[in-house]
Amino acid sequence: GESVGLHLPTLSVQEGDNSIINCAYSNSASDYFIWYKQESGKGPQFIIDIRSNMDKRQGQRVTVLLNKTVKHLSLQIAATQPGDSAVYFCAEPRGYGQNFVFGPGTRLSVLP
Amino acid sequence: EAEVAQSPRYKITEKSQAVAFWCDPISGHATLYWYRQILGQGPELLVQFQDESVVDDSQLPKDRFSAERLKGVDSTLKIQPAELGDSAMYLCASSLALGSYEQYFGPGTRLTVT
Repeated sequence: GESVGLHLPTLSVQEGDNSIINCAYSNSASDYFIWYKQESGKGPQFIIDIRSNMDKRQGQRVTVLLNKTVKHLSLQIAATQPGDSAVYFCAEPRGYGQNFVFGPGTRLSVLP
Repeated sequence: EAEVAQSPRYKITEKSQAVAFWCDPISGHATLYWYRQILGQGPELLVQFQDESVVDDSQLPKDRFSAERLKGVDSTLKIQPAELGDSAMYLCASSLALGSYEQYFGPGTRLTVT
C-alpha cells in the first residue's frame, strides 16, 4: 500500500553543522507534505509544510526540499543546536478527512 | 498559547481491565484526532471527528476500542479490555477545520499494560 518512510533511522551531527533528514514517499498523487518534530515525552510539533507545486520552502533555520521525480523529501536544519535533538517525521494527508500518514521517523542527536 | 490537553499523562493497567483517556482540544477547533504511537514508530490514526461526528474510524479496533465526542468539544477514548499489545502512547490532536492541514498535538498519554 501507499506509505511514507525515511531512509535513516538515526542521525548524529555536531553542534553548528547542518542536518539533512530524508523521507521517501510512494503516493505520487500526494499534494502536500508536513515535517513534524517530536521531543522526548511530547507530542509532535509542526515545523514546516510544502505543497507539491513547490520545490523548496524555507522557514527559520529550516528548509524543505521536494523532488517529485524521485518522490523524495528532505528537511535541512541550518546550524543545528542541542534543542534540535528530537525525532523528525514526515507526513502526508490521506483521504477525504485530511488525516495523515506518518513515516517511521529519524532520531536526530546533536553532539557537543 | 492555546494547547491540546490530555489526561492522564501516564497510565498503568492490567490486561483485561478497562482504561479511558481524555482530550480537550484547542478552543474552536472543530476537528479532533486520536492517534496511537508505538515506541519507535510514527503515529497511526485511530479515529477522526468533525464536531461530534466520526469522519474516519477505519483503523479503530472496534471490538475493544471506542471513542466519543458527545458535544463536539472534548473527547474520550476507551479500551476494554486492554491487551498487552495496547501499550503505546495515545496522542490527541486538533485542527481548526476539516480542510485545515495543520494539526496541534497534545502531550499524549503513555499506556502500559501489564
